[in-house]
Amino acid sequence: KAGVTQTPRYLIKTRGQQVTLSCSPISGHRSVSWYQQTPGQGLQFLFEYFSETQRNKGNFPGRFSGRQFSNSRSEMNVSTLELGDSALYLCASSLAPARNEQFFGPGTRLTVL
Amino acid sequence: TQLLEQSPQFLSIQEGENLTVYCNSSSVFSSLQWYRQEPGEGPVLLVTVVTGGEVKKLKRLTFQFGDARKDSSLHITAAQTGDTGLYLCAGAQAGNNRKLIWGLGTSLAVNP
Repeated sequence: KAGVTQTPRYLIKTRGQQVTLSCSPISGHRSVSWYQQTPGQGLQFLFEYFSETQRNKGNFPGRFSGRQFSNSRSEMNVSTLELGDSALYLCASSLAPARNEQFFGPGTRLTVL
Repeated sequence: TQLLEQSPQFLSIQEGENLTVYCNSSSVFSSLQWYRQEPGEGPVLLVTVVTGGEVKKLKRLTFQFGDARKDSSLHITAAQTGDTGLYLCAGAQAGNNRKLIWGLGTSLAVNP
């Protein structure tokens, strides 16, 4: 069974631009969660989707948004990028909502200049 | 507010040594998971503990869930260089709006 895939793996943007990251969960997994990871803050929960509905949301500004498609694939979007948005963005899939065991993708490394 | 405290934050040891890392909280969790993350990759699930007092072993790794389900420990016997990585614990909250609470991790370096 293929693992969680994330595209792109690396991304460089400038302040004010927007970015869309993509995540394909493990086949059969319907729950997708997104996290931001930085050295100082660790893993910060962004949001969780299950069956195309946002079930949980972390404490991030409205510039961060996401969605899930009927095939469980998910995208997250960050608008008006700031320098502080530079981070590793991780996607995790699970059979059911996020309190269950999660399987992570390799992440997208976003650098904002 | 960091609900899960992991200690130590950094640990550098020689191959063959034993070590224990801790994950502590004042909150009760319905289950707790341990992950290991290597540079440039996402975390990989090692184990889930569910019952208070539970002990699980994964080769040289021993995981224990506290009796009150507020804390957990990970003990590694005879560490190897392949054990190097960031060890993360995540607790599952009870209730309808359940989500995982993550610690900041323990960064372990095992030197040859």
